[in-house]
Amino acid sequence: NAGVMQNPRHLVRRRGQEARLRCSPMKGHSHVYWYRQLPEEGLKFMVYLQKENIIDESGMPKERFSAEFPKEGPSILRIQQVVRGDSAAYFCASSPPEQGGETQYFGPGTRLLVL
Amino acid sequence: SQELEQSPQSLIVQEGKNLTINCTSSKTLYGLYWYKQKYGEGLIFLMMLQKGGEEKSHEKITAKLDEKKQQSSLHITASQPSHAGIYLCGAFTHNQAGTALIFGKGTTLSVSS
Repeated sequence: NAGVMQNPRHLVRRRGQEARLRCSPMKGHSHVYWYRQLPEEGLKFMVYLQKENIIDESGMPKERFSAEFPKEGPSILRIQQVVRGDSAAYFCASSPPEQGGETQYFGPGTRLLVL
Repeated sequence: SQELEQSPQSLIVQEGKNLTINCTSSKTLYGLYWYKQKYGEGLIFLMMLQKGGEEKSHEKITAKLDEKKQQSSLHITASQPSHAGIYLCGAFTHNQAGTALIFGKGTTLSVSS
């Protein structure tokens, strides 16, 4: 059973460009979470999605950031018009659909560098 | 809002020594997770504690959740260089499915040989 997969592992963008980060959850997992780890800071929750639905986006910046988890294919975190402050490691986690607090398994992350 | 505070922030121990990392929550914990992160890599799940007083072990790593469910400790016995990394505690803020985790800022462990 493959773990959570994220690509690309490293992404370099110039200010104003768009960044697309992909996450494929573990097989059988229908819950996807995106977290951001800024330099010298801890992991911060951004958004929680189930297939075709955004359940909680309370940690998502109001502008330029969007996320989706389509019926088919990976979850995508999209950052439009990137700025230097967006440089961070972005982690995706997935968990199974059972009730109760379930273990979230993390992917290797995408390290975004904005020049 | 709930916060997790980890102590110490960083730790250097000699190979073979024991060590303890603490994670204290400002509110009741509904599930406490310990992860390990190597620099530049993803998080590796270590263990999860849910019940007050619960204790779990994996190889030389033991984690406990205190009775009042507001603090957890991670203990490593006879540390090895392979234990080096950043240890993160994470917790659910609500006792329900699909809740996001909040994390402490991490404890960086270095093991000298």
